[in-house]
Amino acid sequence: GAGVSQSPSNKVTEKGKDVELRCDPISGHTALYWYRQRLGQGLEFLIYFQGNSAPDKSGLPSDRFSAERTGESVSTLTIQRTQQEDSAVYLCASSLYSSNQPQHFGDGTRLSIL
Amino acid sequence: GENVEQHPSTLSVQEGDSAVIKCTYSDSASNYFPWYKQELGKRPQLIIDIRSNVGEKKDQRIAVTLNKTAKHFSLHITETQPEDSAVYFCAASQTTGNQFYFGTGTSLTVIP
Repeated sequence: GAGVSQSPSNKVTEKGKDVELRCDPISGHTALYWYRQRLGQGLEFLIYFQGNSAPDKSGLPSDRFSAERTGESVSTLTIQRTQQEDSAVYLCASSLYSSNQPQHFGDGTRLSIL
Repeated sequence: GENVEQHPSTLSVQEGDSAVIKCTYSDSASNYFPWYKQELGKRPQLIIDIRSNVGEKKDQRIAVTLNKTAKHFSLHITETQPEDSAVYFCAASQTTGNQFYFGTGTSLTVIP
């Protein structure tokens, strides 16, 4: 497709379960970002991938959060042992090749922890 | 690291009036400044951006100005319309670096 695709669009799960969120960036975009957006709040940086370089994980809030990306394609964000405070919209964005280029966002995954 | 502050957090204007949102940044190495519009329940969308080699950029009713000396940049929306109602985020980034640093957002309401 032409844009950034995220799945699922909505996820409801019980506290303590693991969840996996997927992001399919725009083809050719080497940079990929994950953000968390709590209700009515701004964008909280989580992790950044650039090509085959080591990812910048400085925004991950705890060791329950991890992310992977294979080459310049799909990325998955995994949250283990989910907590209620993990409830948020998780947004993925990609850009052409660096942080100095426009970011294109997906529609996000709305995660609700019961 | 970079710190981006955005004001005001909420803004209400009458339809047809202008709206101005201001952001300040702390790192003089920042050289790319995009603005995003996020409608309720939707993805942030880039509406305009500016690089540090220019002082102003316009696109129809939207303009962005940059003052590198004072380290601030502003979004100007003229002849506002109800469909301009949304949350607007500013951001700053650098050529070398991994992150976009986002402001906390401005909720704009245009009153018909």
